Amino acid sequence: NAGVTQTPKFQVLKTGQSMTLQCAQDMNHNSMYWYRQDPGMGLRLIYYSASEGTTDKGEVPNGYNVSRLNKREFSLRLESAAPSQTSVYFCASARGTSYEQYFGPGTRLTVT
Amino acid sequence: ILNVEQSPQSLHVQEGDSTNFTCSFPSSNFYALHWYRWETAKSPEALFVMTLNGDEKKKGRISATLNTKEGYSYLYIKGSQPEDSATYLCASSRGGSQGNLIFGKGTKLSVKP
Repeated sequence: NAGVTQTPKFQVLKTGQSMTLQCAQDMNHNSMYWYRQDPGMGLRLIYYSASEGTTDKGEVPNGYNVSRLNKREFSLRLESAAPSQTSVYFCASARGTSYEQYFGPGTRLTVT
Repeated sequence: ILNVEQSPQSLHVQEGDSTNFTCSFPSSNFYALHWYRWETAKSPEALFVMTLNGDEKKKGRISATLNTKEGYSYLYIKGSQPEDSATYLCASSRGGSQGNLIFGKGTKLSVKP
């Protein structure tokens, strides 16, 4: 089992460019999450999908959109990247919202 | 907005010492409390998820307790080892938005041999 996979591992964007971060899990989990990690700020939830077919905003959703493509995949889109979105992005999945989360390896994004 | 506070921010102990950290969260409409261990250059790994007041969980030398009425959780490490060096994160969620997990900024533990 690969667990939670994320692509790409690294990305550099120019301000205004768009991109989609991909996340997939092979654990048949119902819930999936997108976080960003910034120095001194800890982990902050961007969006989550409690179950297939639903998505909800987290703590810092502005500037992002998500798609729960199917039970396995949950993508995060930046429509017009800004330097403030430079961060490390983690995807996670869980059996449900009261279960432990399993994290992917992260995507390091730099916006210049 | 849910505010989750962790203390201390960092901790330096000797190998063999026992230690504990605190996580504070709003007690109203509590749903779940998570603890994660995060080693440098890796991804966070789950330690415990607790939902009931008075819950106590244990994994090897690490244990945790939960008080939902007063809004705090303690994480204990007995006989710290250098491999316990990591940042320990707690996170809480509320009923009505169960998936909206709010993390504290973590306690960074360094264990000297």
